[in-house]
Order: sequence, then C-alpha cells, then structure tokens
Amino acid sequence: SQKIEQNSEALNIQEGKTATLTCNYTNYSPAYLQWYRQDPGRGPVFLLLIRENEKEKRKERLKVTFDTTLKQSLFHITASQPADSATYLCALGSSYKLIFGSGTRLLVRP
Amino acid sequence: DSGVTQTPKHLITATGQRVTLRCSPRSGDLSVYWYQQSLDQGLQFLIQYYNGEERAKGNILERFSAQQFPDLHSELNLSSLELGDSALYFCASSGGGLAGVYEQYFGPGTRLTVT
Repeated sequence: SQKIEQNSEALNIQEGKTATLTCNYTNYSPAYLQWYRQDPGRGPVFLLLIRENEKEKRKERLKVTFDTTLKQSLFHITASQPADSATYLCALGSSYKLIFGSGTRLLVRP
Repeated sequence: DSGVTQTPKHLITATGQRVTLRCSPRSGDLSVYWYQQSLDQGLQFLIQYYNGEERAKGNILERFSAQQFPDLHSELNLSSLELGDSALYFCASSGGGLAGVYEQYFGPGTRLTVT
C-alpha cells in the first residue's frame, strides 16, 4: 500500500538558518505533491503545490523540490523565523485523492 | 481565515450516540472534503463531494455518512459512536473536483469527544 514518510522527530534549528524537511514515499506515483502548514489545534494551511514534471517551485522564503526518481520531496524554509514553528505536512495527489503524511514538527529557536 | 466554516467547534457525547457535523465551503468552491485527525493516525481522508455528488471515498466507516446539499454546505453524520471516534474532524473545500490538483482550504475543525 502507499506509504508516506516524514521525519517524526522534531527539527530544531536556530533562527536565520535554512530548515529542510523531507517527504519520502513508496508504492505510489503521484502526479502532484502539496505542502501544508498546521498549527496545534487548527486546520492545515496550503503552502505550495508542485507537479511531477516540475523539479522545483518557490514562493517567497519557501522552496519545494520533487524528485520522482528518488520518490522524494524536500521542503526548504530560508531565513527561518520563530513564527515558522509549526508542523509541516506533505500530501501526495492524483486526480481523485490527496493522501497526507503524518507531518514533521519544526521548532525555530530565537 | 480560510473562508471555510465548521460547526460546532466542540462536541462531547456518549458512546452509542449520533452526531452531525456541519461545514460551509468557501464561496464558489464546489468540492467539500472530510478528514479525521487523531493523535495516532494523522490526517485521514474520509469522503469528498463535488457539486452535490459523492466523488471519492477514503477510509470512511459504515457508521459514518455524509451529504452535500444544493447550497453546497455539507454534513457529516457519525452514528453508534465509539471511544475511538474521538478526534478532530476537518472539512476542506476546493474550487475543482480533482482532489490532488487543487489546493484545499481547511476549516477550523470540530473536536469530538466520545465518553
């Protein structure tokens, strides 16, 4: 069955550094990959969508890469800020479903 | 504010009971999705409706059902509730009917506690 792996351990970094989160998947070939941010007790918030024929996508301080050969997506936040502290979810998409990973918690220390 | 509203915010009920969760999508969005999020399961897709019709089904139990009304709001009905149904239930909406193609806008969720 399809499996999405995101690091269950929190990523703890210093303010100003680049945070890199990993999303690996198996038994699936998604046409789309999405990233969401979720704060405790709140609904996920959409950040970026990347298609299988795109290698990289950027939005302000965010960058996503999508490697269909490695079956991996990397999510980068440059010049991280304490306000970036949250759980980040990757989601694999086809036409008819979007499957979410369990997320990685990011903590940015001032 | 995503523009998606959900009521109620909190719900406490007993095992065996039935509850109804309500969701209003963003203005203009035709798709509504329901998700369940518990601590040990992550965000699990339950069901999607598009313009009043069921479009896709996930791991939705037979005790659960949903519908989307002509005004596009949706309701999720949970019956014969069990302790394990305690979770956050999110509704999301998107403009199109293809789940993976469009970004989804999530509501604030309904926290269900079954005692």
